[in-house]
Amino acid sequence: DAKTTQPNSMESNEEEPVHLPCNHSTISGTDYIHWYRQLPSQGPEYVIHGLTSNVNNRMASLAIAEDRKSSTLILHRATLRDAAVYYCILRGQYSGGGADGLTFGKGTHLIIQP
Amino acid sequence: EAQVTQNPRYLITVTGKKLTVTCSQNMNHEYMSWYRQDPGLGLRQIYYSMNVEVTDKGDVPEGYKVSRKEKRNFPLILESPSPNQTSLYFCASSLHRVGSYEQYFGPGTRLTVT
Repeated sequence: DAKTTQPNSMESNEEEPVHLPCNHSTISGTDYIHWYRQLPSQGPEYVIHGLTSNVNNRMASLAIAEDRKSSTLILHRATLRDAAVYYCILRGQYSGGGADGLTFGKGTHLIIQP
Repeated sequence: EAQVTQNPRYLITVTGKKLTVTCSQNMNHEYMSWYRQDPGLGLRQIYYSMNVEVTDKGDVPEGYKVSRKEKRNFPLILESPSPNQTSLYFCASSLHRVGSYEQYFGPGTRLTVT
C-alpha cells in the first residue's frame, strides 16, 4: 500500500470543527482512503473511507481532492471523546501472498481543549 | 451487537508456557487478522486469514501460529512465549479483503511474558 503523510499533532477546541489533512501523492487508482482512530487503551476504530467522491457518515466527513493526492477528515463538532490518534491509510487490492496488514503510520494526535 | 471479542484481555505468563489468545467475530466476516502494537513501532501484522483454512504470514510471524477452522474464530497461539513477545495484541476482521471494506478491531489483549 502507498504511503501517507499526516501532521504529528493538532489541537482544537471542543464543539468546533476539526480538519485533519492527509497527503498521499503516490496513491494508485485502486487505492481506497481509509481513516481509523485509536483512543487511549483501545483498539483502532474505523471512522470512514472513500475512493473518489466525498463521503459522509455519522462520525465524520471525508473530503477527497480531485487528483486524489490528498484528503481531509472533517469532524464537524469535536468533543472531548474525539481526542485520539487518527490514522490515514490507503488500502489497495490484494497483491497475493506476503504481508497484507493495514499500514498504520504515526498518525495525527488530536488534542481537544475544553 | 456486531463485534470482535478477544480473550483474555490481560495475561501475565512465564517464558516457554504455551498460551492461546482467542478471537471471535459475529459478523460472518471472511477476512481476519492479528496485529501487535509496540511503542514506537506502531501496529504490525502477525498473520491473516482470507477465509476458513486459508492463512498467511504478515510482517512479524516468527514465534506465532494461527488456525482458522471456523469462520468466526481465529486464535493466536504462542507455543513457547518469550519476553520479546510482550506486547498489546489486536484481532481484526473484515467482510472481505477488498479495499473497499473496513476492518473492525477487538479491544486488545495485553500480554506480559516474564
